[in-house]
Amino acid sequence: EAGVTQFPSHSVIEKGQTVTLRCDPISGHDNLYWYRRVMGKEIKFLLHFVKESKQDESGMPNNRFLAERTGGTYSTLKVQPAELEDSGVYFCASSQWDDRALYNSPLHFGNGTRLTVT
Amino acid sequence: AQSVAQPEDQVNVAEGNPLTVKCTYSVSGNPYLFWYVQYPNRGLQFLLKYITGDNLVKGSYGFEAEFNKSQTSFHLKKPSALVSDSALYFCAVRALPPGGKLIFGQGTELSVKP
Repeated sequence: EAGVTQFPSHSVIEKGQTVTLRCDPISGHDNLYWYRRVMGKEIKFLLHFVKESKQDESGMPNNRFLAERTGGTYSTLKVQPAELEDSGVYFCASSQWDDRALYNSPLHFGNGTRLTVT
Repeated sequence: AQSVAQPEDQVNVAEGNPLTVKCTYSVSGNPYLFWYVQYPNRGLQFLLKYITGDNLVKGSYGFEAEFNKSQTSFHLKKPSALVSDSALYFCAVRALPPGGKLIFGQGTELSVKP
């Protein structure tokens, strides 16, 4: 099966510009997560979709970040306007929905998008 | 609040020697613990998990991890390191419901030299 795919793999933008990251989860995976890693720091949770609904967006840093998941398939994460501190690697992950296995099932990660804001 | 700590930014090991990558956790209730590995320019790959049962968990690529409840630790181990094991390793704990998001440590860079 195809894995989680993210694009672009790299993005370099200037402060104040807009960037949109895309994630295609594994087909059939209802859970979709966004994470971010700033250089040398821990991987931080941003938000979680179940199908098209936002289950948990407690990790979104501010209202410059907007995540959507159209029709419960792919997801986009838009940063507008970008700031220097938004630089980092943005990971997307997906997993199946199963009440019994929610806490057992590992997440499947994409290769990430490296965002550099200059 | 739930958290994970990886006290070592970097671990250096000679090929063929045993390796240990340390992880401690803080949770309310029973922990659901995971190890992931990230190779350069790749996403995170699942290595192993502890949910319940035996304290010694076996995973991919010959790795294993030992759950120690009294020390709140979940150290990753391998009896004989390979150069190809060089990568970034992340320990994670599953958060309380709803959602089941993973909470990660800051990562440990493992370097295995020939």
